[in-house]
Amino acid sequence: DTGVSQDPRHKITKRGQNVTFRCDPISEHNRLYWYRQTLGQGPEFLTYFQNEAQLEKSRLLSDRFSAERPKGSFSTLEIQRTEQGDSAMYLCASSLSGENTIYFGEGSWLTVV
Amino acid sequence: AQSVAQPEDQVNVAEGNPLTVKCTYSVSGNPYLFWYVQYPNRGLQFLLKYITGDNLVKGSYGFEAEFNKSQTSFHLKKPSALVSDSALYFCAVRDGGNKLVFGAGTILRVKS
Repeated sequence: DTGVSQDPRHKITKRGQNVTFRCDPISEHNRLYWYRQTLGQGPEFLTYFQNEAQLEKSRLLSDRFSAERPKGSFSTLEIQRTEQGDSAMYLCASSLSGENTIYFGEGSWLTVV
Repeated sequence: AQSVAQPEDQVNVAEGNPLTVKCTYSVSGNPYLFWYVQYPNRGLQFLLKYITGDNLVKGSYGFEAEFNKSQTSFHLKKPSALVSDSALYFCAVRDGGNKLVFGAGTILRVKS
């Protein structure tokens, strides 16, 4: 299967620890997105890359959050000094320039205890 | 700002009956509208989209959606519901950039 791949699928961490999630987009997709989804809510946009350039960041993305896409392929989302409010599913998605459909991965669940 | 609203938290329907999941939108300019489905503990799966053209859009798994400009609606429909259609459904609109803005979601329960 060549869909969007996310790792790890589940992460439990203690408050204050750092966590990192990885996303591998669909091959040849040059756009990559990160969303956050909490229970009972729709996904909320966090940030977006075109190739290696981070073109847009939501105000939801506090200073503790950083995303990178160093070679324009896979991306990482790091959360520093996690808080209980960071508990959510983090969704990665990708698309191809000129096409409108965005394809999502299976998500990475984060639980901060 | 572009937005969508899903007025129903939950829709219940009997298997074999037609189903409708409602979505209304608020955009400036022409809307790019999407429906996604989410099964428990899974990511979002793309169902269908409206960009331009025919107001009735056909998608995956027998779903279709009707774009109505005068009512600013994009309701998801299926002629005959299956128990396996039970899931969480999201309507979304593309904003002026390249990202999607999602509604809060509607839980669909299909009972046998």
